[in-house]
Amino acid sequence: RKEVEQDPGPFNVPEGATVAFNCTYSNSASQSFFWYRQDCRKEPKLLMSVYSSGNEDGRFTAQLNRASQYISLLIRDSKLSDSATYLCVVKDRSNYQLIWGAGTKLIIKP
Amino acid sequence: EAGVTQFPSHSVIEKGQTVTLRCDPISGHDNLYWYRRVMGKEIKFLLHFVKESKQDESGMPNNRFLAERTGGTYSTLKVQPAELEDSGVYFCASSQEGAGKDRYEQYFGPGTRLTVT
Repeated sequence: RKEVEQDPGPFNVPEGATVAFNCTYSNSASQSFFWYRQDCRKEPKLLMSVYSSGNEDGRFTAQLNRASQYISLLIRDSKLSDSATYLCVVKDRSNYQLIWGAGTKLIIKP
Repeated sequence: EAGVTQFPSHSVIEKGQTVTLRCDPISGHDNLYWYRRVMGKEIKFLLHFVKESKQDESGMPNNRFLAERTGGTYSTLKVQPAELEDSGVYFCASSQEGAGKDRYEQYFGPGTRLTVT
């Protein structure tokens, strides 16, 4: 079983739609949670950290459920520029390693 | 402020040859990381430096890989001899310890795409 599992994708959605990404992690000792975005042939970039209380940044909302070991990312009113691969990432208490999901590719169509 | 830089951007070598990748972290960042993504797989951690010291090298695949960070500034990752399965994109990242919400943010370089033929 992978440490971090994501929807395999790709997601093909029309511009303006709401998109939801799901992620589960296996290590209950995980301490920090993130969503990264990676454009084709580019480096991953931090999109949002995810907190237990949930957090929102404009059109993006992230949620964490520690009991279920589940993380989500919601994108509202999707834009063409949101097309990218979204990576779920966790970090445990003991070190600085980032543990990555395989990513879900999002394609926004006009 | 300059971001993390990596050199070269691409490298194509033959099996058995040696390749050295270089990473320059963001100035002042004590933490430097190497990650790798092989085709069709998720990004995997290789190792972590704090200044010039190896803090965690649990992700290094085998002894063909050697990472150094002399002087605590830039880092090199040498693969010798390279094998076909070493092909992939090698990312370097750096972070700065400190208080605040950005404490753990790792900033990534553009990566080096390594192809072993």
